[in-house]
Amino acid sequence: GAVVSQHPSWVICKSGTSVKIECRSLDFQATTMFWYRQFPKQSLMLMATSNEGSKATYEQGVEKDKFLINHASLTLSTLTVTSAHPEDSSFYICSARHNSGALINTQYFGPGTRLTVL
Amino acid sequence: AQKVTQAQTEISVVEKEDVTLDCVYETRDTTYYLFWYKQPPSGELVFLIRRNSFDEQNEISGRYSWNFQKSTSSFNFTITASQVVDSAVYFCALSEPATSGTYKYIFGTGTRLKVLA
Repeated sequence: GAVVSQHPSWVICKSGTSVKIECRSLDFQATTMFWYRQFPKQSLMLMATSNEGSKATYEQGVEKDKFLINHASLTLSTLTVTSAHPEDSSFYICSARHNSGALINTQYFGPGTRLTVL
Repeated sequence: AQKVTQAQTEISVVEKEDVTLDCVYETRDTTYYLFWYKQPPSGELVFLIRRNSFDEQNEISGRYSWNFQKSTSSFNFTITASQVVDSAVYFCALSEPATSGTYKYIFGTGTRLKVLA
């Protein structure tokens, strides 16, 4: 149990286009999901906390208008990188927080999306 | 302030050796959770263990074991008889419900483990 999927696994796009990344909890409901960014050989950097049915909470320094987050259901959160530029190229990872059971409040991670902006 | 320190940036061992990955944390909360995750080259973070602050029992799962010591604010991870498949980056994380409200994680910088055949 506790499987999180992420789609697409990789994407290459031209500068100026928008890219949407989906994160789904497949076998549990998640009122809270998280979006991270990871640079090569570095730790995960939290970008925002996505709450079902309400606005996302962004970490300091993360542009809300640049990284649009929607959490429309208990199993789906989306991150849209708007007007992407080469500096947005990175590995984006989502996680879903388990709400119940023995592992309540544990985050389960998706496989990540590698974004390359040309 | 909350902080997680993984002082070992990279460790190389020969297969079948035992290896311990260190994790030291800082928190002012009395209720918190500690986690270990494995990130293999594929990139996906794999959950290994969760420990809450009121449970200091050590845990063993196959070749993996964890030593939680509140007195030294440490949550160390030992792999016994390491294998090449253990090669990965390992992250320690801290979650403080009272402070963050959303149970968000504070990650350490990770330890890259290389197990050589």
